[in-house]
This record gives sequence, structure tokens and C-alpha cells, in this order.
Amino acid sequence: GAVVSQHPSWVICKSGTSVKIECRSLDFQATTMFWYRQFPKQSLMLMATSNEGSKATYEQGVEKDKFLINHASLTLSTLTVTSAHPEDSSFYICSARGWGDSDYGYTFGSGTRLTVV
Amino acid sequence: SQKIEQNSEALNIQEGKTATLTCNYTNYSPAYLQWYRQDPGRGPVFLLLIRENEKEKRKERLKVTFDTTLKQSLFHITASQPADSATYLCVRSGGGADGLTFGKGTHLIIQP
Repeated sequence: GAVVSQHPSWVICKSGTSVKIECRSLDFQATTMFWYRQFPKQSLMLMATSNEGSKATYEQGVEKDKFLINHASLTLSTLTVTSAHPEDSSFYICSARGWGDSDYGYTFGSGTRLTVV
Repeated sequence: SQKIEQNSEALNIQEGKTATLTCNYTNYSPAYLQWYRQDPGRGPVFLLLIRENEKEKRKERLKVTFDTTLKQSLFHITASQPADSATYLCVRSGGGADGLTFGKGTHLIIQP
């Protein structure tokens, strides 16, 4: 089945630094990838949609200059949290969907726990 | 705005019984309702998808229904097992390559 690999699984960084999270589709081409954020005991909130070769579409309230998304190939999307602050600490999850799999839902990565100290 | 509401934050069920989780949506019917399982510290795992023109879908011990009159989906796990303990997420999608709207989830605990 479709597999999405997300790295790193956890990261601790100092306030003011940047962190890059990678999301790879291992056995299929992902024309569209999604980035979500989840706070404790909350539901996943969509942050942005990235399409291969074009600019990402950000949800209302998400700062595009702070959360940089690059979807340079059909198998890789990256999310960079720039100038991270403690309030950016959260669980970040990517999701991918190729073509022709409308009966099978979306495939999610295992998530990245970001802690900003 | 479109909302997904899962009424129960937590549900305790005795092993062997059927667990039934409820999901309600507001405004117009989504093209799809999906159910995912999420374990602590992990990403969601897809379980079942049901279209608005389908009444019921089954997969092994799982069954999901879609009632557009009640604006509700029910998710059933029959012959529940402790390994079924997890958070179950109800998700709406409009079809196509669009993002998903998640409910807050129901934390299901199957007690031996």
C-alpha cells in the first residue's frame, strides 16, 4: 500500500532557529501533499496544501513566511518552520494523495513532534 | 463553515461488545466521510471511506453508515478487542485533491 515517510519523528530546537521537516511518498507519486498541525487533545488542523511545481496554498491564519513549504518533486515536500518560537511547539503531520485512489483515503506520515525551547 | 462533531470524547466498551461511534456534520453533505484511527504520537491511519450516495460500507469487523437525512455517520467495531483501543477520527472531504476537515476524535477504550 501507499507509504508516506516523515522525518524527523521528533526535534527539539532553540527559539529563533529554523527547522525543516521532510515528507516523502515512497511508492507512489504525490501530486498533492497536505500539512497539518495538531495540539494536544485537539483535532488535526490543515495548515497548507502543496502542489508539485507550484506555490502552496495556505489556510487562513497560517503565516506563509513562517511556514515555508516546498514541493519540488512528486515524491518530496518539505515544511520549514522559520524563527521558531515556543508557541510553534506542536505535532506536525503530512499527508499525501496520488491520483486514482479516491476509494482509499489519504496516507499520513507518522508525524513530527516539534519542541521549541 | 463546515464542521464535524464527534459527540463523545471518550468511550469505554467491554471486550467482545460492539463499539459504536457517532459523527455529525453541519451544513451541506460532504462528498465523502472517512474514518481514521490514530494512536498516541502517530499519524492517522485510514480505515474506511463512504460516499454520500452510499448507505453502508463494511470491512472485516468494521462498518460505517452515512445518513444524509440525519447528517450523521456511525462507525461500528464488532467483537471489539483491547487492540482496538485508540482515537478514531471522523473526517469530511469534498472529493478531488482537497484537504480534510477533522473531528476532534473519540478515544475508544476496550476493557478486557
